[in-house]
Amino acid sequence: GAGVSQSPSNKVTEKGKDVELRCDPISGHTALYWYRQSLGQGLEFLIYFQGNSAPDKSGLPSDRFSAERTGGSVSTLTIQRTQQEDSAVYLCASSLGPEGYTIYFGEGSWLTVV
Amino acid sequence: DQQVKQNSPSLSVQEGRISILNCDYTNSMFDYFLWYKKYPAEGPTFLISISSIKDKNEDGRFTVFLNKSAKHLSLHIVPSQPGDSAVYFCAATSGGSNYKLTFGKGTLLTVNP
Repeated sequence: GAGVSQSPSNKVTEKGKDVELRCDPISGHTALYWYRQSLGQGLEFLIYFQGNSAPDKSGLPSDRFSAERTGGSVSTLTIQRTQQEDSAVYLCASSLGPEGYTIYFGEGSWLTVV
Repeated sequence: DQQVKQNSPSLSVQEGRISILNCDYTNSMFDYFLWYKKYPAEGPTFLISISSIKDKNEDGRFTVFLNKSAKHLSLHIVPSQPGDSAVYFCAATSGGSNYKLTFGKGTLLTVNP
C-alpha cells in the first residue's frame, strides 16, 4: 500500500486480556517505530526496529509490552494482561532509514480497555 | 517531566491572518526539531523541520524559527487557511537519531473563514 497500514483501527478489550496490534510499513522502509498517545498527552516513543532487530526498546512501559518484526516488514505489538491505563492510540510509523529520513505515521489503532 | 512543552492547547485565527504556534523545550541536548500536523482520525504528517545550526527554515506558507538561547521555537503559518485547521505537534530529538522523537501535547489550530 501507499502508506503505513495498521489494524485493527479500533479495539475494545476487557481488562486482563491480551491484545495484538499489527503494522504494515511502507514498502522498502527499513526503519519502523511504535508510538502511543494517551488522552491529552503527546506522542510517546515505545520501540524502534531497524530491519528485524530492535536496537531501542527503551520506551516500552512494562514487561507486559512486547513487539516483533518479521521479514523486515510487518510488525506486531503485543500487550499482555491489559490494564485500563493501556487505553491509548497506538501509532506505527516507518522511514527509509533511521537517520535523516522523514517518518511517516499510520492512522493508529485505538485501544480501549474496559 | 515534560521536555517539550506546547503551552497553548488551542489557537483560533481568522483566515488570511498569521498563525503562530509556540513550543518550548528543556533538554539542551536536543538538536533537531520538527512540526507535525494531525487531522482527526489520521496519523500525524510531517510538516517542517529545523536543525539547531539554523535559526529559520521556510517552506511555502510555513516558517519555523528557532531561538536556542531561549530554548524556544515557533511555527508561523501565513496566510492561514481553513484547511490548516488541525492539531500541531512540536517534536525534538538529539544525536542525529531522529527516530526517537519527544513530542509536545499539541496545539489545536482553528482557522475561521
